[in-house]
Amino acid sequence: QQPVQSPQAVILREGEDAVINCSSSKALYSVHWYRQKHGEAPVFLMILLKGGEQKGHEKISASFNEKKQQSSLYLTASQLSYSGTYFCGTEPQAGTALIFGKGTTLSVSS
Amino acid sequence: KAGVTQTPRYLIKTRGQQVTLSCSPISGHRSVSWYQQTPGQGLQFLFEYFSETQRNKGNFPGRFSGRQFSNSRSEMNVSTLELGDSALYLCASQGIITGELFFGEGSRLTVL
Repeated sequence: QQPVQSPQAVILREGEDAVINCSSSKALYSVHWYRQKHGEAPVFLMILLKGGEQKGHEKISASFNEKKQQSSLYLTASQLSYSGTYFCGTEPQAGTALIFGKGTTLSVSS
Repeated sequence: KAGVTQTPRYLIKTRGQQVTLSCSPISGHRSVSWYQQTPGQGLQFLFEYFSETQRNKGNFPGRFSGRQFSNSRSEMNVSTLELGDSALYLCASQGIITGELFFGEGSRLTVL
C-alpha cells in the first residue's frame, strides 16, 4: 500500500524551515527518505528502523512514530540546494519491497 | 566505485512493440529493484530480484517481466507496449549493510 505524503508541494525562502510527513496504513519495519533533483536520480537521505532513534545530519533530520505508522522529515534553515522532490519509502517487513509515496516538491528561493 | 548503470538512456517505440532495458548494479550488490516513474504518480514498484530470484513483485500486468543474471545484472522487458507505458524506468541496487537504494539515471521510454 502506497504511503501518503503531505504536503504535495512547499515553497520556501532561504533560511525557512519545512516539515514533510509520510503516513502508512500498515505497520512498518523501516522508512527511507530520498531526494530527487530535476533530471537526476533519487538520492538516499536516511533510513529509520523500527525501534530506532531519530536520525539527522545537521539541518536535515527525521523521526519515526511506529505506533502511528508515520514519519516526518525536518528541513531547517533551508538552502537553495534543498530544492527537489522528496520521497518517503516504506517497508512493512524486513526484506519486503520498498514502496514510495508520490513525493513532495520543495522549492527554495533566495 | 562505479554507480548503477542503465542502458539505453532514451528510447522511442511504437505501440505493440516490445522493449528490453538493462541494469548493472554496484559491484557486490545482489539485490536489484525496478521502478516506473511518471508525473504525479511517484515511483511505482515493479519487481525486485535477489541472487537471480524474484523476491518481490508489484501490481503490474504480466506484460512487464524481468530477470537477473549470475553477475547480478538485471533486465526488464515490456511486451505489447501501450501509450501508458511511457515513463522513466529506474533501477536501484541495494546496499548490503545499510539497505539504502542506489538508483541509476534511468531509461526514458516513449511509446508512440
